[in-house]
Amino acid sequence: NAGVTQTPKFQVLKTGQSMTLQCAQDMNHEYMSWYRQDPGMGLRLIHYSVGAGITDQGEVPNGYNVSRSTTEDFPLRLLSAAPSQTSVYFCASSSQGISYGYTFGSGTRLTVV
Amino acid sequence: AQSVSQHNHHVILSEAASLELGCNYSYGGTVNLFWYVQYPGQHLQLLLKYFSGDPLVKGIKGFEAEFIKSKFSFNLRKPSVQWSDTAEYFCAAGSGNTGKLIFGQGTTLQVKP
Repeated sequence: NAGVTQTPKFQVLKTGQSMTLQCAQDMNHEYMSWYRQDPGMGLRLIHYSVGAGITDQGEVPNGYNVSRSTTEDFPLRLLSAAPSQTSVYFCASSSQGISYGYTFGSGTRLTVV
Repeated sequence: AQSVSQHNHHVILSEAASLELGCNYSYGGTVNLFWYVQYPGQHLQLLLKYFSGDPLVKGIKGFEAEFIKSKFSFNLRKPSVQWSDTAEYFCAAGSGNTGKLIFGQGTTLQVKP
């Protein structure tokens, strides 16, 4: 089992560029989420999904899109990158709701210049 | 609005000292509570969780936490810290099967040998 796999691990973007952060899990988990981690602000929820075809907004959804066409994959799209989106992004997954806790990926460090 | 608040942003202790990190939450309905740890350069790992039953929860590496419903608190404790406990600690709260897990701002713990 690979767990939660995020790619790429590092990325530098220019302002205005778009890109997709990939997240895949092989645990057949229904629940998946995207967070961004910034110093002093903890982890903030961007979008989350409770199953294929179902997504919802978290605390800081602006500037990001998600889709969930399969159980395994939950990509995060930056539509037009801004320096304020410089952050470390974590994807997480869980089975049977959040009661069992989320399993986190190793993160993507994104810099927007 | 749902929120999680951690009172201590940076804690410095000597080895063998006792640890208590505060966490308060604001969450309607039944709440599930978690503590996660992030060691330097690593992704988040689950320390312990509470979703029902005994309000005193024991986790890995000698950590425990107490759920006090009347105070909306879920403080993390360890009787004697080690240098290897140096890490960032996050409290999180969510509700049942919503899939939505909210994190606090995090507490950086530095243990001096």
